[in-house]
Amino acid sequence: DSGVTQTPKHLITATGQRVTLRCSPRSGDLSVYWYQQSLDQGLQFLIQYYNGEERAKGNILERFSAQQFPDLHSELNLSSLELGDSALYFCASSGRGGFTGTDTQYFGPGTRLTVL
Amino acid sequence: GQQLNQSPQSMFIQEGEDVSMNCTSSSIFNTWLWYKQDPGEGPVLLIALYKAGELTSNGRLTAQFGITRKDSFLNISASIPSDVGIYFCAGHSIQGAQKLVFGQGTRLTINP
Repeated sequence: DSGVTQTPKHLITATGQRVTLRCSPRSGDLSVYWYQQSLDQGLQFLIQYYNGEERAKGNILERFSAQQFPDLHSELNLSSLELGDSALYFCASSGRGGFTGTDTQYFGPGTRLTVL
Repeated sequence: GQQLNQSPQSMFIQEGEDVSMNCTSSSIFNTWLWYKQDPGEGPVLLIALYKAGELTSNGRLTAQFGITRKDSFLNISASIPSDVGIYFCAGHSIQGAQKLVFGQGTRLTINP
């Protein structure tokens, strides 16, 4: 158990809909990262938040957005969903000692999103 | 963007055999991490490397941070059935420290 929690574990929805994925980091971690993993693909970095502020952006679509709240949990919002958005979405956290840019990341169990 | 070349893509071995996989990059990396992912689960950190030349073990697993800072390998000795899974290398490059870049993974299958 990495200490990172994600809800829900599974999500099935239709094209055009909007969903919200939730992540709670390890106790004390200040950074939260979101990744997308499509079938038989590696992990693609989407976005990082550190202590409530956006820190780095990866290959995140404009239809996707995220935020980190004062209690440090984070939400990833996916809107106007398309079939190709079906994937595993992982959250990771790091940074108990503050932000260094190369902190080891610990991953949650993921949310499997299926868009029908 | 940054790319990590991980090989082999898949391995089929007999229980008890040793395993070796590696990652290379065209750019210099500040950290190298090795993760294992079981089906439907999140990646689990196996070994983290922070210095060029560093050799670190975790039980039957050994990983090294290459001297050139452009490569890393992971060895698994005396494989057992629970070693089955996908192994990913990952690293922070000097060009994008905040972004952890992942290799495409090595799928390990073990025949009992």
